[in-house]
Amino acid sequence: EVVMTQSPATLSVSPGETATLSCRASQSVNVALAWYQQKPGQAPRLLIYGASTRATGIPARFSGSGSGTEFTLTISSLQPEDSAVYYCQEYKNWPAFGQGTKVEIK
Amino acid sequence: QVHLVESGGDVVQPGGSLRLSCAASGIAFSSFAMHWVRQAPGKGLEWVAVIASDGVFKSYADSVKGRFTISRDVSESTIYLQMSSLRTDDTAVYYCGPEDKSGSSLFEYWGQGTLVTVSS
Repeated sequence: EVVMTQSPATLSVSPGETATLSCRASQSVNVALAWYQQKPGQAPRLLIYGASTRATGIPARFSGSGSGTEFTLTISSLQPEDSAVYYCQEYKNWPAFGQGTKVEIK
Repeated sequence: QVHLVESGGDVVQPGGSLRLSCAASGIAFSSFAMHWVRQAPGKGLEWVAVIASDGVFKSYADSVKGRFTISRDVSESTIYLQMSSLRTDDTAVYYCGPEDKSGSSLFEYWGQGTLVTVSS
């Protein structure tokens, strides 16, 4: 079983700045890594798959990188509507999610 | 446009049973594996189960193995989750979703979820 660990648990960032979220897998998942955004009361929304490919309709300020066991989601020029919880998920094996990083806007 | 509608959530006592449904439209239902994912109140996402496109292969998270059964009805474009021996830690919003077009277990489409509350 692959364990996904996200850090930090909470990130507080000012509008217009950059947020950097980390996700670590307990074993290599190659690039089978997705990122989701979830706002209160809503289902998750797929942002990134294949570690770095943006899903349909996702703004270019969201970017993903990494491979193997270390991954990063970068949100540039942070907007107020980016306040949410972000989850990583590996899908090389059965789906496993990280515990989430809450992004707060200062 | 893909549309997923989960239903069947309710309040049930520990040890009880419940069946959830997920009706899918806008996809070639018989071509896709389908998953259940749950989220306990205030907690993260947890994968629950998958059923292959042909309905033969099924797999479950260890936390529900032996208690939950996933099935599908192609004629109704619907999947089900039969839940038994429910425990308080099964309390969650349950979401369904298809695998993606490449056959990977990542989730582009989600329903609104259905809430299961296990409480005495």
